Amino acid sequence: QKEVEQDPGPLSVPEGAIVSLNCTYSNSAFQYFMWYRQYSRKGPELLMYTYSSGNKEDGRFTAQVDKSSKYISLFIRDSQPSDSATYLCAMSDGGNTPLVFGKGTRLSVIA
Amino acid sequence: GAGVSQTPSNKVTEKGKYVELRCDPISGHTALYWYRQSLGQGPEFLIYFQGTGAADDSGLPNDRFFAVRPEGSVSTLKIQRTERGDSAVYLCASSSGPGETQYFGPGTRLLVL
Repeated sequence: QKEVEQDPGPLSVPEGAIVSLNCTYSNSAFQYFMWYRQYSRKGPELLMYTYSSGNKEDGRFTAQVDKSSKYISLFIRDSQPSDSATYLCAMSDGGNTPLVFGKGTRLSVIA
Repeated sequence: GAGVSQTPSNKVTEKGKYVELRCDPISGHTALYWYRQSLGQGPEFLIYFQGTGAADDSGLPNDRFFAVRPEGSVSTLKIQRTERGDSAVYLCASSSGPGETQYFGPGTRLLVL
């Protein structure tokens, strides 16, 4: 079992839909949780950063962390074609430890 | 300001050759990370520098891989005797310190024929 599991999709939704992306993990030491967006042939760019459990909202994006279930989610409201990309979850236990990434979920938002 | 830059953007080489991949981090960032991303996978950690020294090289797959950061800024990832399995996107990221947000470059796409 990999440390971080993420369904690779692909996921296709109509414009305006609410998108739910998820990751599960096995390492209970993880405390920092991130979502990166990666467009084709580009590097990952940070979307959301959350410490420990709870919710964080930024515009159309909401990140949720449930440490008791070892489960994190990213919700995208009013999805747009420009949201079409691969979404990578990443996590670490802090300090100078490297990020551990999921496989990424490929999302297509159809106009 | 300028983000993380990586050169070359694409590199095609033959099996057995030596390659060097360069990363220019964001100015002032002391931490620098190398990751490798294979097709359909998330980035996998290779090595982390804090300043000039390699603080964690536990992700390097074998002794054909080596990285340096002699002046604490630019870093070079070196791969000797390349193999077809080394084909991947090599990503560099930098941050202002340990545990801070990592900003990624566009990657170098390496193809070993």
